[in-house]
Amino acid sequence: NAGVTQTPKFRILKIGQSMTLQCTQDMNHNYMYWYRQDPGMGLKLIYYSVGAGITDKGEVPNGYNVSRSTTEDFPLRLELAAPSQTSVYFCASSYSGAGPLFYGYTFGSGTRLTVV
Amino acid sequence: KNEVEQSPQNLTAQEGEFITINCSYSVGISALHWLQQHPGGGIVSLFMLSSGKKKHGRLIATINIQEKHSSLHITASHPRDSAVYICAVRWETSGSRLTFGEGTQLTVNP
Repeated sequence: NAGVTQTPKFRILKIGQSMTLQCTQDMNHNYMYWYRQDPGMGLKLIYYSVGAGITDKGEVPNGYNVSRSTTEDFPLRLELAAPSQTSVYFCASSYSGAGPLFYGYTFGSGTRLTVV
Repeated sequence: KNEVEQSPQNLTAQEGEFITINCSYSVGISALHWLQQHPGGGIVSLFMLSSGKKKHGRLIATINIQEKHSSLHITASHPRDSAVYICAVRWETSGSRLTFGEGTQLTVNP
């Protein structure tokens, strides 16, 4: 199993450019998440999705958009990149079912983004 | 505010030492996760626990729900254990979303 696959691994953007970070999982997980990690800080939730067609904002959603058209894919879109979006981005997925059923929190390998 | 605090921030040990990393949280949780972030950046889930103790190899995780505290122990530490260890919690009110601590940078010297 590939798990959670993120692309690209590295990217340099100029201020004002746009890009899409791709994330796909092959574990049939219903939940997917996007986090950013800044130096010395804990991971912060940008957006998450509880299933295809359903997305919601996390702690730091400004400047980002997401979509979830399939169970497998959860792309993150950056519009008008700004230096404050320089960070490492992680996609993750998990399965949550009835009651306390929860398992499989799995992270992608990360995307290191620099906005100059 | 729901918070997760880890200590210490940085920890240096000699190979073979017993290591403890601590995590405290502010309100009720449905589960606590311990994660390991390798020097290359990848994040791996080590444990998920809501009570008691779990063990995997040289790693042991414990949680005390009443005291809102968890510990991660590494026995007979090895240089390959050098990594950032991250505590994360699922609050009772936040469903599957995690709130992360800032991590503990562990360096084990040979």
